[in-house]
Amino acid sequence: DTAVSQTPKYLVTQMGNDKSIKCEQNLGHDTMYWYKQDSKKFLKIMFSYNNKELIINETVPNRFSPKSPDKAHLNLHINSLELGDSAVYFCASSTRTSGPPSSYNEQFFGPGTRLTVL
Amino acid sequence: ELKVEQNPLFLSMQEGKNYTIYCNYSTTSDRLYWYRQDPGKSLESLFVLLSNGAVKQEGRLMASLDTKARLSTLHITAAVHDLSATYFCAPQGAQKLVFGQGTRLTINP
Repeated sequence: DTAVSQTPKYLVTQMGNDKSIKCEQNLGHDTMYWYKQDSKKFLKIMFSYNNKELIINETVPNRFSPKSPDKAHLNLHINSLELGDSAVYFCASSTRTSGPPSSYNEQFFGPGTRLTVL
Repeated sequence: ELKVEQNPLFLSMQEGKNYTIYCNYSTTSDRLYWYRQDPGKSLESLFVLLSNGAVKQEGRLMASLDTKARLSTLHITAAVHDLSATYFCAPQGAQKLVFGQGTRLTINP
């Protein structure tokens, strides 16, 4: 009965390769996110989707391409991997509040995918 | 743009002691979250604070919010070892949460 799941949990790959991380939530939420957590534990949002529509696209290299086939899934594809892409990537999901349109309820996080680029 | 500063970033304390983590943020926000992260694990939501003067308590942790000062605090009472973790505050910005740098809390016997 996992709420937010990600695959794979670990990903080790060579520079220049292309890889994907998958995320699924079974909470019925309408908004999903990708975050990157670096080695210093700093957590930064990369993308968010609401009802399959891209809402946030932070200053992320265009080698990163999110795809949301439906409200329950948000995948992240990374082209031409670089050493600096090594990090833990977290998927999260939430719902919008009934208040201001830019406000969201508690985010539930997936277990994370540790990406190591060699 | 919303900026968030937590302090301290590292905190080592003895069991049984009290301490406070501070979270300052730069612009108005209508809600603020506190999350906990254990080493190698995901983030777990602890509290959401929705209004000025809001106070929430769960066990030995108490969070408060002063929206006028743009300050939230997380107070630990009579710390025990299993509270060792990294704690993040995250005020709501435009369409997103903005996370502080995290406070790595170590509680020693």
